[in-house]
Amino acid sequence: RKEVEQDPGPFNVPEGATVAFNCTYSNSASQSFFWYRQDCRKEPKLLMSVYSSGNEDGRFTAQLNRASQYISLLIRDSKLSDSATYLCVVKSYSGAGSYQLTFGKGTKLSVIP
Amino acid sequence: GAGVSQTPSNKVTEKGKYVELRCDPISGHTALYWYRQSLGQGPEFLIYFQGTGAADDSGLPNDRFFAVRPEGSVSTLKIQRTERGDSAVYLCASSLIATANTEAFFGQGTRLTVV
Repeated sequence: RKEVEQDPGPFNVPEGATVAFNCTYSNSASQSFFWYRQDCRKEPKLLMSVYSSGNEDGRFTAQLNRASQYISLLIRDSKLSDSATYLCVVKSYSGAGSYQLTFGKGTKLSVIP
Repeated sequence: GAGVSQTPSNKVTEKGKYVELRCDPISGHTALYWYRQSLGQGPEFLIYFQGTGAADDSGLPNDRFFAVRPEGSVSTLKIQRTERGDSAVYLCASSLIATANTEAFFGQGTRLTVV
């Protein structure tokens, strides 16, 4: 079982649609959680951190369920510019002051006019 | 301020050759990561530096791969006897300090092609 699993998609949605991405992780000791966005042939960039209480940033809402080891990202009112790959990232302490970021394979989103 | 800088942006090399990939992190960032990303995959962890020392090198695939960060800033990833399977984008990331919640900033990567 992979450490971080995501539905690879692709998700093809019309402009204005709401789309949800799911992610599960296997390391119950994981400490922090993020969604990164990666455009084609570009580097990953932080979209938002994910907190147990849930957090919202404009059209984006992230949720974390530690008991189920499950993370989600909801995008409302999709824009063409949201088209990208969304990477679920889990940060775990690996000893000696070291933190390791573990990435899922990413979920590709295409927003269609 | 400048972000994470990686050079070269593209590298084509022949099988069996030695290559060095350079990462210049954001000034003042003590934590530095190397990742490798193949097409259609998420980034795969290679090695993590805290200051000058490699705190976690568990992701290096074999002893052909080595990385250094002698002065705690610039890092070099070195690959000996390259193989076609080493072809990928090599990403470097840095963060201010090593805590659970600090953001990691990525460079644009070096696209390595072994022919």
